[in-house]
Amino acid sequence: QKEVEQNSGPLSVPEGAIASLNCTYSDRVSQSFFWYRQYSGKSPELIMSIYSNGDKEDGRFTAQLNKASQYVSLLIRDSQPSDSATYLCAVTGQGQNFVFGPGTRLSVLP
Amino acid sequence: DADVTQTPRNRITKTGKRIMLECSQTKGHDRMYWYRQDPGLGLRLIYYSFDVKDINKGEISDGYSVSRQAQAKFSLSLESAIPNQTALYFCATSSGAPGYTFGSGTRLTVV
Repeated sequence: QKEVEQNSGPLSVPEGAIASLNCTYSDRVSQSFFWYRQYSGKSPELIMSIYSNGDKEDGRFTAQLNKASQYVSLLIRDSQPSDSATYLCAVTGQGQNFVFGPGTRLSVLP
Repeated sequence: DADVTQTPRNRITKTGKRIMLECSQTKGHDRMYWYRQDPGLGLRLIYYSFDVKDINKGEISDGYSVSRQAQAKFSLSLESAIPNQTALYFCATSSGAPGYTFGSGTRLTVV
């Protein structure tokens, strides 16, 4: 059974700080990795994708991938109260469906 | 209009009733999915379809059935609803390229 694990949180950070969200996965052949943001009662929205080892930056978001350690993370710089949401990690291999983690709830305190 | 539309948005039904959740999309995507979301468990795949003639079970298909009426329409049925099917249900679409587009969700309560 392929698994994706995340700390459920809540992770609380002060406004302006860096939020660090972590995800581990069990299937070594996984190739594509995604972070979705989900506000309470709303649908998930894709915020980052990463396919190669290393860092990928997009605005205040940085995704980090380490395939050897089967680890992917999301950093949110200059966190804002509007970043308060649940962040879902999703993993997929070629031709395979996504496997989602349970999500980490982030709370950014003003 | 939304790219992926789910109806109804909210539904309360009684145990043993048959209920259908509907999903339609204007993305032109071939792939469609039904997920349920429960607190602490994330999104779990119920059924998926890669084209009109292709239907596949996901990890939690028991108690559910689906129909792919057209490329744009994918319905989920609960033949005899039970309380532990109370959840938030999402339809999603994909072109095969990475990334899903999700509908707004259907909150189902079985009493």
